[in-house]
Amino acid sequence: QKEVEQNSGPLSVPEGAIASLNCTYSDRGSQSFFWYRQYSGKSPELIMSIYSNGDKEDGRFTAQLNKASQYVSLLIRDSQPSDSATYLCAVTHNFNKFYFGSGTKLNVKP
Amino acid sequence: SAVISQKPSRDICQRGTSLTIQCQVDSQVTMMFWYRQQPGQSLTLIATANQGSEATYESGFVIDKFPISRPNLTFSTLTVSNMSPEDSSIYLCSVVHGGSNQPQHFGDGTRLSIL
Repeated sequence: QKEVEQNSGPLSVPEGAIASLNCTYSDRGSQSFFWYRQYSGKSPELIMSIYSNGDKEDGRFTAQLNKASQYVSLLIRDSQPSDSATYLCAVTHNFNKFYFGSGTKLNVKP
Repeated sequence: SAVISQKPSRDICQRGTSLTIQCQVDSQVTMMFWYRQQPGQSLTLIATANQGSEATYESGFVIDKFPISRPNLTFSTLTVSNMSPEDSSIYLCSVVHGGSNQPQHFGDGTRLSIL
């Protein structure tokens, strides 16, 4: 079993819709959760961090964490074609030991 | 966040040669990592670069093939030795500022092609 699981996609949504990206993790002791966006040919860019249960909003992005169910999600409201990228979920459960998911490719269609 | 400079940004190398990739950060960082990413694939951790001591390598990666240095808290190098076409990949440096549970931030990467 992988430490972090993501659906590889591609996830296709129309412009203006809500994109929902999901991630599950195996270690209940995980403490910090991150979402990265990676455009083709570019390096990953941090877009959200979340540390406690519930929702965290930043602009059009909302991260949701449910530690009891061991999942973390990312919602992108009013999706734009510029949001088309691969989204990586990352989890850490001790000092700087990171686990990255394989990523979900998002396509936002104009 | 820190400014991370990775050099070279790309290179084309001959089989059997070695290339050293540099990662320079504009401020002191707690942790530095080296990753490899094949096209269309996810990140694979090569090693954690430890300041003043030997790097910690992940399964499948060895020091003879991927020697790493980290002489101080702002600089690290990764050498890809005796390269073969299978080493063609993107190599990424990442850093962590501050204490535990802080996110990683990535350099722009080095796109390496072996002929």
